[in-house]
Amino acid sequence: GDSVTQTEGLVTLTKGLPVMLNCTYQTTYSPFLFWYVQHLNEAPKLLLKSSTDNKRTEHQGFYATLHKSSSSFHLQKSSVQLSDSALYFCALVSNYNVLYFGSGTKLTVEP
Amino acid sequence: GGIITQTPKFLIGQEGQKLTLKCQQNFNHDTMYWYRQDSGKGLRLIYYSITENDLQKGDLSEGYDASREKKSSFSLTVTSAQKNEMAVFLCASSIRTEVFFGKGTRLTVV
Repeated sequence: GDSVTQTEGLVTLTKGLPVMLNCTYQTTYSPFLFWYVQHLNEAPKLLLKSSTDNKRTEHQGFYATLHKSSSSFHLQKSSVQLSDSALYFCALVSNYNVLYFGSGTKLTVEP
Repeated sequence: GGIITQTPKFLIGQEGQKLTLKCQQNFNHDTMYWYRQDSGKGLRLIYYSITENDLQKGDLSEGYDASREKKSSFSLTVTSAQKNEMAVFLCASSIRTEVFFGKGTRLTVV
């Protein structure tokens, strides 16, 4: 069945450094991938989405490129800020518009 | 814009109790979902519904029932609360690939 894998559970970085959060997926359908961000005590919010192979999508300084050849949709940012500390979820939409989430990566940015 | 309202915001139950969580959306979306989130962890799908009176089981449906009597509402029942259970239950709705979440119901079982 459809699934999403995020390999890092916890990432801690110093402000100003680059970050890459890994996401790989498995699906038998045409993939539509998402990144959601969840700040403490808030609902998850959409950060990025893409269904186009090899095209970079960007929002709020974060970017990701869907690579169908490697079934990946890694999230990157060139310089993290304190306000980026949050839970980040990669998600895949299946045939019936059901969203399947990865286990999440908790990003902590330190001063 | 639309909104998803979940009630109650906080729910404290006793072991073995049957508990119901409610969700209302005014987006007029067809598909609605219930996810469970354990502290600092990912979202696991409990039930979803692609239209009024439709119910589909997710990976975590055991121990839960759901009901979609109207397009705008989707309720979730914990059939027998487990002692020391603590989790946030998130309701969501979607049209095509746009998914929106409510703020959650935080469940504590004593």
